[in-house]
Amino acid sequence: KNEVEQSPQNLTAQEGEFITINCSYSVGISALHWLQQHPGGGIVSLFMLSSGKKKHGRLIATINIQEKHSSLHITASHPRDSAVYICAVRSNYQLIWGAGTKLIIKP
Amino acid sequence: DTGVSQDPRHKITKRGQNVTFRCDPISEHNRLYWYRQTLGQGPEFLTYFQNEAQLEKSRLLSDRFSAERPKGSFSTLEIQRTEQGDSAMYLCASSFRDRAFFGQGTRLTVV
Repeated sequence: KNEVEQSPQNLTAQEGEFITINCSYSVGISALHWLQQHPGGGIVSLFMLSSGKKKHGRLIATINIQEKHSSLHITASHPRDSAVYICAVRSNYQLIWGAGTKLIIKP
Repeated sequence: DTGVSQDPRHKITKRGQNVTFRCDPISEHNRLYWYRQTLGQGPEFLTYFQNEAQLEKSRLLSDRFSAERPKGSFSTLEIQRTEQGDSAMYLCASSFRDRAFFGQGTRLTVV
């Protein structure tokens, strides 16, 4: 079993839909990152969380430390949101990565 | 344009040769990370610098791998005596506070 599990692995939705991507982890962490990777390899950090909830534009990230679970939400999804979304947890100065969720938003 | 530059973008080398990659982070970022990503997998941590100090190295980083960050600016990752298993995308990231930015990566193919 991987230390960081993401679901779903693949998600296809229509433009405008509310999107939720989940991340569960089994190790002790000091922080959790949500990252976005576009085709071609470019990776952008979206959020770093250690508790609670953060919002940036149409993106919302939440974390429940007791349940070892985090969610990334996208409101009013748009085709430009199509990318791979990766959850990574910081544990003992290392980042342990989930396998990613491939999101496709159709117009 | 993420602001983190990596050079070269692609490298094809023969098994047994040495290769060196360069990463230029965003100038005010004091933390720099190297990762390796193979097809279909998430990035694997290799090493981490805070300014010029190398604070953490993964067990993945065998003695054939060495990384430097002189003067706390750009960083180099050298792989000696390359093996086919070294073929991967090598990603560099720099961060300041809670934001990290990744370079486009250097894709290494060992033939």
